Amino acid sequence: GAGVSQSPRYKVAKRGQDVALRCDPISGHVSLFWYQQALGQGPEFLTYFQNEAQLDKSGLPSDRFFAERPEGSVSTLKIQRTQQEDSAVYLCASSLTSGVHGEQYFGPGTRLTVT
Amino acid sequence: DAKTTQPPSMDCAEGRAANLPCNHSTISGNEYVYWYRQIHSQGPQYIIHGLKNNETNEMASLIITEDRKSSTLILPHATLRDTAVYYCIVRAAGAGGTSYGKLTFGQGTILTVHP
Repeated sequence: GAGVSQSPRYKVAKRGQDVALRCDPISGHVSLFWYQQALGQGPEFLTYFQNEAQLDKSGLPSDRFFAERPEGSVSTLKIQRTQQEDSAVYLCASSLTSGVHGEQYFGPGTRLTVT
Repeated sequence: DAKTTQPPSMDCAEGRAANLPCNHSTISGNEYVYWYRQIHSQGPQYIIHGLKNNETNEMASLIITEDRKSSTLILPHATLRDTAVYYCIVRAAGAGGTSYGKLTFGQGTILTVHP
């Protein structure tokens, strides 16, 4: 079956622009995570949804970052007034269960470049 | 979650076993050891996890020392497609708390499999 998909795969934004990154999780997966991966680093947690509820947003770096999952499936990560330090790969992962041990399935990521 | 230490890079000849070490000396009794890998330009992929017993699946084997302070991921017959960054992650078990199963990645080990 289809895995986690993300769009766009690549996004170039001028500093100050707003961007929206989309994640389509595996159908029926309860949990959805967003991670940010800077060049040469491991992914870092941004936020977590259980169905439509955003239960953890402790990793969001600033109030310019906003995520939603209104119907408990597709999620969007929005970054307002992008800055150069926002340049990174943004990864989405979904998991069937809400338990701690649900295996996370990752999408290919969206590479954001802010110029 | 406990911190992990991995060598930054390793080489392996194609067809030979790749043994990737991980130190997690501060691991607590209810924490599991997880391994993920990330092939270039892809999202991370789950490999295997374990608590204290050795585990094997179709991808790899996980050997955890008796004191649980270190572990080794074994790829029995490495191929060129196994070239990737391998992440060792310690993850809390059980319900409760606020981790919701998020993964805390370190720098990982860059494994290069050569012909």
